Amino acid sequence: QKEVEQDPGPLSVPEGAIVSLNCTYSNSAFQYFMWYRQYSRKGPELLMYTYSSGNKEDGRFTAQVDKSSKYISLFIRDSQPSDSATYLCAMSPIYNQGGKLIFGQGTELSVKP
Amino acid sequence: KAGVTQTPRYLIKTRGQQVTLSCSPISGHRSVSWYQQTPGQGLQFLFEYFSETQRNKGNFPGRFSGRQFSNSRSEMNVSTLELGDSALYLCASSIGTSGGDTQYFGPGTRLTVL
Repeated sequence: QKEVEQDPGPLSVPEGAIVSLNCTYSNSAFQYFMWYRQYSRKGPELLMYTYSSGNKEDGRFTAQVDKSSKYISLFIRDSQPSDSATYLCAMSPIYNQGGKLIFGQGTELSVKP
Repeated sequence: KAGVTQTPRYLIKTRGQQVTLSCSPISGHRSVSWYQQTPGQGLQFLFEYFSETQRNKGNFPGRFSGRQFSNSRSEMNVSTLELGDSALYLCASSIGTSGGDTQYFGPGTRLTVL
């Protein structure tokens, strides 16, 4: 069983829809949680970063972390065709001295005009 | 501020050859991490260098090695290439002083092994 599980999709939604992306994990030592977006043939770019539990909002994006359930989510409101990409969750434990992010498989999202 | 740069962007090699990939981190960043991305396995951590020392290592065979120079630039080397080494190799840089440091990724080097 992988440390981080993420449904690879693909997920197809109409423009303007609310998108919900999720990851589950098994390592209770994870404290730092990230969402990256990766366009085709590009490197991942950081979208959201959360430390420990709670919610964080940035424009149309909201990240949620529920450590009791070992479950993280990313919500995209008013989705746009430009949001079409692969979304990767990533996490690391508090004792990590740097490097070694553990990634989910990535969810491929397509937003149709 | 310039981002993370990787060279070359594309490489085609044959089985048994070796390859060296290069990564230049963001100015001021001392940590460089390398990842392998494949459709089947996703993004997997290879190793991380900080101040010219390997600080973390993933579960890859010894054919995969790396180094970091005094200016924080890093190289990774893969010897005796196998077909399964075909992948996108990504490097990421960060300040490197805390487990929560944000990692910034380069565009990757796409390696094809024939």
